[in-house]
Amino acid sequence: GAVVSQHPSWVICKSGTSVKIECRSLDFQATTMFWYRQFPKQSLMLMATSNEGSKATYEQGVEKDKFLINHASLTLSTLTVTSAHPEDSSFYICSARVPGGNRYEQYFGPGTRLTVT
Amino acid sequence: AQSVTQLDSQVPVFEEAPVELRCNYSSSVSVYLFWYVQYPNQGLQLLLKYLSGSTLVESINGFEAEFNKSQTSFHLRKPSVHISDTAEYFCAVSDAGGTSYGKLTFGQGTILTVHP
Repeated sequence: GAVVSQHPSWVICKSGTSVKIECRSLDFQATTMFWYRQFPKQSLMLMATSNEGSKATYEQGVEKDKFLINHASLTLSTLTVTSAHPEDSSFYICSARVPGGNRYEQYFGPGTRLTVT
Repeated sequence: AQSVTQLDSQVPVFEEAPVELRCNYSSSVSVYLFWYVQYPNQGLQLLLKYLSGSTLVESINGFEAEFNKSQTSFHLRKPSVHISDTAEYFCAVSDAGGTSYGKLTFGQGTILTVHP
């Protein structure tokens, strides 16, 4: 149980284009999802907290207009990287919290590797 | 604000040897501590957590970690590792309560490689 998927697992896009990454909770409904970014050989950095039906809460230093988060349903959150540039190339990971479960326990997706050329 | 430091980026060991993956944290408030494991091509999985109570916590596959408040550490240990333990391990900390509950701050990760 508590499986989280991400799609795509790997994407290459040209500089200036936008790319959307999906995060789905497959066997539970997630009112809260988190988006992380991981640079090579570095730790995961929380980008934003996504709550179903409301605006995402972004961490300090994360550009809201560049990283658009939509949590339109209880099983799907999307991250859109707008006007992507090579410095946006990274590994993006989402996680979801199980409602009613331990509020500190998050289930993670396998990640999406974004390469901007 | 919190920070987590994993002192070793890579730890190679032989099968059946003991291992310790070190984790130190910094925080001005009480914290909860976690170890996550990431196997190749998979998402992070919770290995064990310390929320309260006994400072020694154990996982179902033989790992244990001890919360040491005075040394601000949460080192992960296993007395005898298996090939299947090869993975990347992340230490994480969360603010214990307040409006930021549930948000995790991660260490840089330690790649454990178990050799036959």
